[in-house]
Amino acid sequence: EVQVVESGGGLVQPGGSLRLSCAASGFTFSDYTLHWVRQAPGKGLEYVSAISSNGGTTYYADSVKGRFTISRDNSKNTLYLQMGSLRVEDMAVYYCARGCRIDRGSRWSHYMDVWGKGTTVTVSS
Amino acid sequence: DIQMTQSPSSLSASVGDRVTITCRANQSISSYLNWYQQKPGKAPQLLIYAASSLQGGVPSRFSGSGSGTDFILTISSLQPEDFATYYCQQSYTTPPYSFGQGTKLEIK
Repeated sequence: EVQVVESGGGLVQPGGSLRLSCAASGFTFSDYTLHWVRQAPGKGLEYVSAISSNGGTTYYADSVKGRFTISRDNSKNTLYLQMGSLRVEDMAVYYCARGCRIDRGSRWSHYMDVWGKGTTVTVSS
Repeated sequence: DIQMTQSPSSLSASVGDRVTITCRANQSISSYLNWYQQKPGKAPQLLIYAASSLQGGVPSRFSGSGSGTDFILTISSLQPEDFATYYCQQSYTTPPYSFGQGTKLEIK
């Protein structure tokens, strides 16, 4: 079964750090771009970060740039999100998602086809 | 940055109704638009990618259309399991791939 499973969430004080993990199984991990998406309580989906299949290219939302670092270990089929200088507004459920793409001729069309159940990050003193 | 706006933000409908949800981008994104469904307490699930391609396993009552700046998600005949929140997402350029604010579909 193709799946991704997040872990590492918890309670952290403002200004603190936390590392999330996302373990993948059922597919060739090193072939896929991976994404983090978060959802604050009662709010919509917010795109956080992405990493290319070989880990060589990373992307971040402006809201987390300079504070979060995405990485992956293709030998362990695991994605990470190192979160630092955490703020109350970072409190959310964090989802890991597999990125897919199809060739539309002029460029690739990207989407997220497999999502984990999420891990909850609470930022509070 | 590309901003995505959905309308309406919430919608009440009955089983069997035909429902449309609109998503608008603040610049042309060609057909680089995806739709997701999210039920309470659950992860999002992909419904439609590249504006009109149905993800495997998704019922054919779901369809997507549009290109450029205006897109529509249509549910041809609402079923009880379709009551959820729906999000559009653009993937026109490199990430971040912004989402719309969501449309909550409720039972009338």
